[in-house]
Amino acid sequence: GAGVSQSPSNKVTEKGKDVELRCDPISGHTALYWYRQSLGQGLEFLIYFQGNSAPDKSGLPSDRFSAERTGGSVSTLTIQRTQQEDSAVYLCASSLFLGAKWSTGELFFGEGSRLTVL
Amino acid sequence: TQLLEQSPQFLSIQEGENLTVYCNSSSVFSSLQWYRQEPGEGPVLLVTVVTGGEVKKLKRLTFQFGDARKDSSLHITAAQPGDTGLYLCAGHYSNSGYALNFGKGTSLLVTP
Repeated sequence: GAGVSQSPSNKVTEKGKDVELRCDPISGHTALYWYRQSLGQGLEFLIYFQGNSAPDKSGLPSDRFSAERTGGSVSTLTIQRTQQEDSAVYLCASSLFLGAKWSTGELFFGEGSRLTVL
Repeated sequence: TQLLEQSPQFLSIQEGENLTVYCNSSSVFSSLQWYRQEPGEGPVLLVTVVTGGEVKKLKRLTFQFGDARKDSSLHITAAQPGDTGLYLCAGHYSNSGYALNFGKGTSLLVTP
């Protein structure tokens, strides 16, 4: 399909294990965002990519969280030594970059990866 | 940290009623967007507003951006069950990074 694809859709893991979440953005979208959505909460910004670079990592909650993007396309969010408080839906979104960091085109979201840490 | 506040948090109404939800911030937005999210799906963009005082209409939905660009409202006329969902406002601040900051949303339930 032509939309943003995320995998896995559901992941159940044990406390202390590492997890990788994948995002395949819309072709041609240079901007890519990761967000986290906990129950009853809004979307918490994690990291922004422009191409393969991440000029804004300000939302990553701890050094257990990291992300990379390769080929200006697929991105992977890695959570090391998972904790129960990491349980949430992790959403990826892509958009065209409109030339200024404050200028936002439409963000196209994937359906998210639901992470449950037991 | 800038904070977007949305109200009400929950709203349950009957089909045919009108409603307004609000989004407020203490800081000026460079731009503001409204998204709608259904269970199990990602948010979908409804509208983008940029100019203070701007009003945009999308069928039965009317969006207003405050003159000072610190607040916005979404008014739905004659709500339908298909309007049920989580309505999120999201804004860029001129002194922030690349993050598009989201509020916690208004969860709307429209019953037949």
